[in-house]
Amino acid sequence: GENVEQHPSTLSVQEGDSAVIKCTYSDSASNYFPWYKQELGKRPQLIIDIRSNVGEKKDQRIAVTLNKTAKHFSLHITETQPEDSAVYFCAASETTDSWGKFQFGAGTQVVVTP
Amino acid sequence: NAGVTQTPKFQVLKTGQSMTLQCAQDMNHEYMSWYRQDPGMGLRLIHYSVGAGITDQGEVPNGYNVSRSTTEDFPLRLLSAAPSQTSVYFCASRRTGTGYNSPLHFGNGTRLTVT
Repeated sequence: GENVEQHPSTLSVQEGDSAVIKCTYSDSASNYFPWYKQELGKRPQLIIDIRSNVGEKKDQRIAVTLNKTAKHFSLHITETQPEDSAVYFCAASETTDSWGKFQFGAGTQVVVTP
Repeated sequence: NAGVTQTPKFQVLKTGQSMTLQCAQDMNHEYMSWYRQDPGMGLRLIHYSVGAGITDQGEVPNGYNVSRSTTEDFPLRLLSAAPSQTSVYFCASRRTGTGYNSPLHFGNGTRLTVT
């Protein structure tokens, strides 16, 4: 089955700096890679996703890159703000059929200090 | 739409007790699933369903049962609670279809403590 590794487990950045979280996956059939943000005591919420036919996607200060050959994908947050402090999860899924399951990374605790 | 609704929000059980965590969605999603979240271990899949009458095991199914009698509801049953089942439980659903990529939508979670 799919295995997703996520690094680092914790990330401390100064406000205004960039943050990068990296994930690797094992199943070459995986074709969909969402990223979730979870604030303390809240549910995970989708912030950005990328499909296997795309190498990069941006949404304002957030971007995701995908390297299918190396089987890794990364989340980039630019100009970090205190409200970016949260736990971020990457996930990989093979969703060609309706049985596609999501495998999550262990999460990255991001702390943005003013 | 209310999205994915979970009840209760908090629950304390004694070892050996049973209970059902409720999950309902109003988005007409075929796929529903249950995850548990433990510190440092991310989200682990317990059971999932791709439609009424169809369920399957995930990564950590032991100690849990599920059923899917309707598209909307997907309850999770703990038959005999154990302290190892202390966790935060999330229900999640998504659209399905051949070639269709869609994200999971999560409920607000149930924090379960087994003493």
